[in-house]
Amino acid sequence: GAGVSQSPSNKVTEKGKDVELRCDPISGHTALYWYRQSLGQGLEFLIYFQGNSAPDKSGLPSDRFSAERTGGSVSTLTIQRTQQEDSAVYLCASSLLAEETQYFGPGTRLLVL
Amino acid sequence: GQNIDQPTEMTATEGAIVQINCTYQTSGFNGLFWYQQHAGEAPTFLSYNVLDGLEEKGRFSSFLSRSKGYSYLLLKELQMKDSASYLCAVRDRFSGAGSYQLTFGKGTKLSVIP
Repeated sequence: GAGVSQSPSNKVTEKGKDVELRCDPISGHTALYWYRQSLGQGLEFLIYFQGNSAPDKSGLPSDRFSAERTGGSVSTLTIQRTQQEDSAVYLCASSLLAEETQYFGPGTRLLVL
Repeated sequence: GQNIDQPTEMTATEGAIVQINCTYQTSGFNGLFWYQQHAGEAPTFLSYNVLDGLEEKGRFSSFLSRSKGYSYLLLKELQMKDSASYLCAVRDRFSGAGSYQLTFGKGTKLSVIP
């Protein structure tokens, strides 16, 4: 079946602009995660959604970052007033249940000029 | 918090065996994962260990010792296509607000040479 999909695959933006990144999880997966991978760094947890529960936002680096998940499926990560240090690959993952294996999407490569 | 260490780079010869080590420190261990990531691509799941011992899956095996905070990924009969980064990730039941987030090491870049 279809895996996790993300769009856009690449995004170049100017410092100060807002960006929206989209994630479509595997159908039926209840848990959805956002991670960030900066050059030379490990994947960094950002936010987690599980069903209708309140999301775990403990990994968001600043209040410029927010995310929502509509209808328990598609998720959007929004970065406001982008900074150059936001340049990274943003990866989305989903799992059937929260405690099960996470499967990753191809990521969105964000470059802030 | 967690601290996960793995070697930055390794090189091995096609057909050989390579072992990639991972050490971790965590307060509420709840599983260790290995992922493979080819350059420019998404991480793909390789293995999961939650109990001590060896899990074998074809050419890949993963070992866990919870008392030592140690895991390794063993790759046998190396092929050129195995050149990739290998990511060790730990799940901690006390991390975040009850979520099942993974904490990743920085990855080990494996180069397989002829």
